[in-house]
Amino acid sequence: GAGVSQSPSNKVTEKGKDVELRCDPISGHTALYWYRQRLGQGLEFLIYFQGNSAPDKSGLPSDRFSAERTGESVSTLTIQRTQQEDSAVYLCASRQRSGQLPQYFGPGTRLLVL
Amino acid sequence: AQKITQTQPGMFVQEKEAVTLDCTYDTSDPSYGLFWYKQPSSGEMIFLIYQGSYDQQNATEGRYSLNFQKARKSANLVISASQLGDSAMYFCAILNSNSGYALNFGKGTSLLVTP
Repeated sequence: GAGVSQSPSNKVTEKGKDVELRCDPISGHTALYWYRQRLGQGLEFLIYFQGNSAPDKSGLPSDRFSAERTGESVSTLTIQRTQQEDSAVYLCASRQRSGQLPQYFGPGTRLLVL
Repeated sequence: AQKITQTQPGMFVQEKEAVTLDCTYDTSDPSYGLFWYKQPSSGEMIFLIYQGSYDQQNATEGRYSLNFQKARKSANLVISASQLGDSAMYFCAILNSNSGYALNFGKGTSLLVTP
C-alpha cells in the first residue's frame, strides 16, 4: 500500500517568509509525528497527533512553529517568519495507534532558509 | 526522561563480514521499546528492527539482529553478511511514553561497507 508522503520535497525560502509543509500519513494510521533533522544530526521530536488532537506540543522550538491535522489524515506544519536556523529536513511519521509499534516515515521536506 | 547514546560516529566493515553498532539507553519507564532505523543517503528513514523490554528473546529480522542486554541497558544492532547497500546512517531510538510514544533518537552511526 501507499506509504507516508510529504510535500514539497524541497523548499527554498527567504528569511522572514512563512512556509507550510504537508504530510499524508498511511491510511488508517491514527498517530502522526513530526520530527526535525538538522544536517548531520539525529531526529528531534516536534509534535504528535492522536487523531486530530495534539496532546504534546512540547517539542516545538518556538511559537513560530504550529501544526494542525484534519481528522486522521493530512497534517500541515507551518513555520512563520522563517529563520536560517530553521533550515533542516522535516520528517513526518505515522503509526496505526499510539503504543509500542514502529513508526513509518515519509521522505521528508528539505527546507533551506536563505 | 529517555536518552539514547551511540558512541560510534563512523564504522567500516568489509563486504560479507558482520558488524555490530552500539547503542546504550537510559529510561525510567518499567516497560519500553527500542528501535533501529536505517537512513541511506537518499534520506528516508527505514524501520529495521524492534525490541520490547519484556521480550524474552533477542529480536531478529533477516540479516539484522538485536543484542539486547537489559541489565547493561544496551541494544546493539548486529548486521550479518554486510552488503554494499548497507552503507548508511543507523539510528537507535527509544519510545518516549510521555509524548505519545514518539521516538527519542541517538546521534547515529555512519556505516561504510567496503568491497
